[in-house]
Amino acid sequence: AQRVTQPEKLLSVFKGAPVELKCNYSYSGSPELFWYVQYSRQRLQLLLRHISRESIKGFTADLNKGETSFHLKKPFAQEEDSAMYYCALMNTGFQKLVFGTGTRLLVSP
Amino acid sequence: NAGVTQTPKFQVLKTGQSMTLQCAQDMNHNSMYWYRQDPGMGLRLIYYSASEGTTDKGEVPNGYNVSRLNKREFSLRLESAAPSQTSVYFCASGTDLRSGELFFGEGSRLTVL
Repeated sequence: AQRVTQPEKLLSVFKGAPVELKCNYSYSGSPELFWYVQYSRQRLQLLLRHISRESIKGFTADLNKGETSFHLKKPFAQEEDSAMYYCALMNTGFQKLVFGTGTRLLVSP
Repeated sequence: NAGVTQTPKFQVLKTGQSMTLQCAQDMNHNSMYWYRQDPGMGLRLIYYSASEGTTDKGEVPNGYNVSRLNKREFSLRLESAAPSQTSVYFCASGTDLRSGELFFGEGSRLTVL
């Protein structure tokens, strides 16, 4: 069965520090992975997907099939990055999106 | 465009009462979903609908029913609410089941006493 693990419930960093939000997955097929973000009082929204290999708001994420990981990184955190971040895996067999438990990122001034 | 609209935003129920959460999308999406969000458990899929006229169970369907009324609307019904159903409920839509980009509503906070 597919599973997404986000080991940290809370990650607290200072402004300007590097950030890495961890995501590990288990899936026997070829995964499609995503990061979603929920800012305070806003809707949950897609941040980025591994297929596009893009950088959004300074965030990047690389799919590492050997380590079954899809960690989200940003070299210099900003206060406005404070939010709840969810890693998600598309189960291409059942065509459903499975979410991890989420990591709350808190960036302090 | 409003995107995905959910009502009500807040609701308090007594154990055993019933209620329906309404969801509508104006993006002409085929697939629609209901998730619940609980602390420490993330988002869990309750039911989904691939297209108008079809619905399927997700990860945690017990105690819920759904109706895909038309392409725009997808409702979630609690027939006999239980305290374990206290949660924040999110409706979402996507172009189709293969799309990993879902568009979410603002959420409905439900408390069952």
